[in-house]
Amino acid sequence: QVQFVQSGAEVRKPGASVKVSCKASGYTFTSTAMHWVRQAPGQRLEWMGWINAGNGNTKYSQKFQGRVTITRDTSASTTYMELSSLRSEDTAVYYCARDHHCSTTCADFDYWGQGTLVTVSS
Amino acid sequence: EVVLSQSPGTLSFSPGERATLSCRASQSVSGSYLAWYQQKPGQAPRLLIYGASSRATGIPDRFTGSESGTDFTLTISRLEPEDFAVYYCQHYDTSSMYTFGQGTKLEIK
Repeated sequence: QVQFVQSGAEVRKPGASVKVSCKASGYTFTSTAMHWVRQAPGQRLEWMGWINAGNGNTKYSQKFQGRVTITRDTSASTTYMELSSLRSEDTAVYYCARDHHCSTTCADFDYWGQGTLVTVSS
Repeated sequence: EVVLSQSPGTLSFSPGERATLSCRASQSVSGSYLAWYQQKPGQAPRLLIYGASSRATGIPDRFTGSESGTDFTLTISRLEPEDFAVYYCQHYDTSSMYTFGQGTKLEIK
């Protein structure tokens, strides 16, 4: 079955960086794209960017452009999301999510990781 | 930028009742790119509906999605205890990319 296992909770000081991993299993890793979505306390879900796991192409939300880098390691079936210049407002649960391939037209996320809490505090 | 508005923020129902959740887009959007998710405390979101009305794999048929212009609706025909959760709508377009509504919490009356 399709499964994503994310790395554990992180605590960082303002100005630091954090890198979260997401290991995939149960399907061909390079066949689809992976997204990163975050959820700050009391806030709506927020899309950060995605990577084509096959060719490594990426696209980022304008909000995070310049601060976020998404990469992948095909040999490890793992996607990474690194966020730099952290501030307190970046405290959130970060999710990886698989791009949904459907028989019709769609653009959504069919499987999600369990989430990684990143806390930014001095 | 497309903004999705879900109201009200909280709905209260009893098990067995029918619930209707609303998601309104700030401008004309394609229903092909409208999805609904369910999220329970401490869990990741779960895809329920995509393309405005297609059920995702393994989703019971008591969950139905529909659209009318810029208004999208998720209907749960007979609420089960496990259906009490937060529901989010989500849309994609090439300019806004992926956006989410603020969520509606479905609570037990």
